[in-house]
Amino acid sequence: GESVGLHLPTLSVQEGDNSIINCAYSNSASDYFIWYKQESGKGPQFIIDIRSNMDKRQGQRVTVLLNKTVKHLSLQIAATQPGDSAVYFCAETGDTGTASKLTFGTGTRLQVTL
Amino acid sequence: GAGVSQSPSNKVTEKGKDVELRCDPISGHTALYWYRQRLGQGLEFLIYFQGNSAPDKSGLPSDRFSAERTGESVSTLTIQRTQQEDSAVYLCASSHQTTDTQYFGPGTRLTVL
Repeated sequence: GESVGLHLPTLSVQEGDNSIINCAYSNSASDYFIWYKQESGKGPQFIIDIRSNMDKRQGQRVTVLLNKTVKHLSLQIAATQPGDSAVYFCAETGDTGTASKLTFGTGTRLQVTL
Repeated sequence: GAGVSQSPSNKVTEKGKDVELRCDPISGHTALYWYRQRLGQGLEFLIYFQGNSAPDKSGLPSDRFSAERTGESVSTLTIQRTQQEDSAVYLCASSHQTTDTQYFGPGTRLTVL
């Protein structure tokens, strides 16, 4: 079936450096993608989203890039801080064309070292 | 309320018992979703509600799982005759419409002994 996966299960970066978390998706019909951050013992927290008619979207310290040609999504975090340590999930809508059913990747753990 | 709330936060039960998990969505959100997250894994979609109806139940693992929603508000996820493989965190999310961002609750950690 369709799936969303991540290239790196764990990413370790130094405080102040930029972080890049990657995600590959397989469903070319997906038109909505979201990045979530999950801290230990908490539910996922929305970070940023992007629709398939865009290739880049920026938020506060975060940027999401979408490459539909190779079905690749990335999350860039600028000036990574200790509070950014968490598991990051990408999610896609699948073939429903709406956000009603999200398919999540397995997650990447970001560790920020001092 | 300020966010999605779920209760209980933790539930330990014996194999074969039934459990009910509750979700209170953000006020005014018409769409409500249930997901399951096994240890160290991503989220698996279970079911979603638009209002009080459930257009997509495709993610429910078996007929032991059921969910209902009343008053376009509170939802309960019921697992009958629990099995050890049901142990997971059950997460609820809500959104204003099905095309909008989903906001998650803290989850209920279910442990089946």
